[in-house]
Amino acid sequence: DAKTTQPNSMESNEEEPVHLPCNHSTISGTDYIHWYRQLPSQGPEYVIHGLTSNVNNRMASLAIAEDRKSSTLILHRATLRDAAVYYCILSSGTASKLTFGTGTRLQVTL
Amino acid sequence: DTEVTQTPKHLVMGMTNKKSLKCEQHMGHRAMYWYKQKAKKPPELMFVYSYEKLSINESVPSRFSPECPNSSLLNLHLHALQPEDSALYLCASSQPDRGPFRKLFFGSGTQLSVL
Repeated sequence: DAKTTQPNSMESNEEEPVHLPCNHSTISGTDYIHWYRQLPSQGPEYVIHGLTSNVNNRMASLAIAEDRKSSTLILHRATLRDAAVYYCILSSGTASKLTFGTGTRLQVTL
Repeated sequence: DTEVTQTPKHLVMGMTNKKSLKCEQHMGHRAMYWYKQKAKKPPELMFVYSYEKLSINESVPSRFSPECPNSSLLNLHLHALQPEDSALYLCASSQPDRGPFRKLFFGSGTQLSVL
């Protein structure tokens, strides 16, 4: 699987937007970009996914660079409940597995 | 029902014990997964079942034995574990036939301690 690179940690103030970057310079044309997050003491949960176009859902937005070598997860208004580890993951073809990278630990403060 | 239920939530076992972890989902998913997560590390894939057949084994030691008795249940049988096997064991499920996109639903995990 192609590798992703994320910052180890980020901080945000509550009610401010948060931009979580992910580099995936070896992405192939068929790789989907997935984002999951893991809140403390819970299993990971799906956040959003995309292939080429920017995507929005009720949790977040995903901005994908034109060359697809990087993407950014955008939380429009961070809350304390968004404090979690955010994982950017690639999958391709008929791969039936998701390989987690090291993720970004997001801290949200008042 | 979008839940994956794992039992027990916590388990302490000795190195000579035999125990089992259980996972259940009622979303009609036909792919189920076991992941292992050490503290402050990302989850690592162990096994994948697709239509109740083992499709991926990530070179997991034989002291871990998975079983998928039906489309809703997934077990992980544990025998002669080592202290370094202490970890959070996560179960997940998904629809298997969605090409490269699979939305995984995870349980909250079983925290295993091997003494």
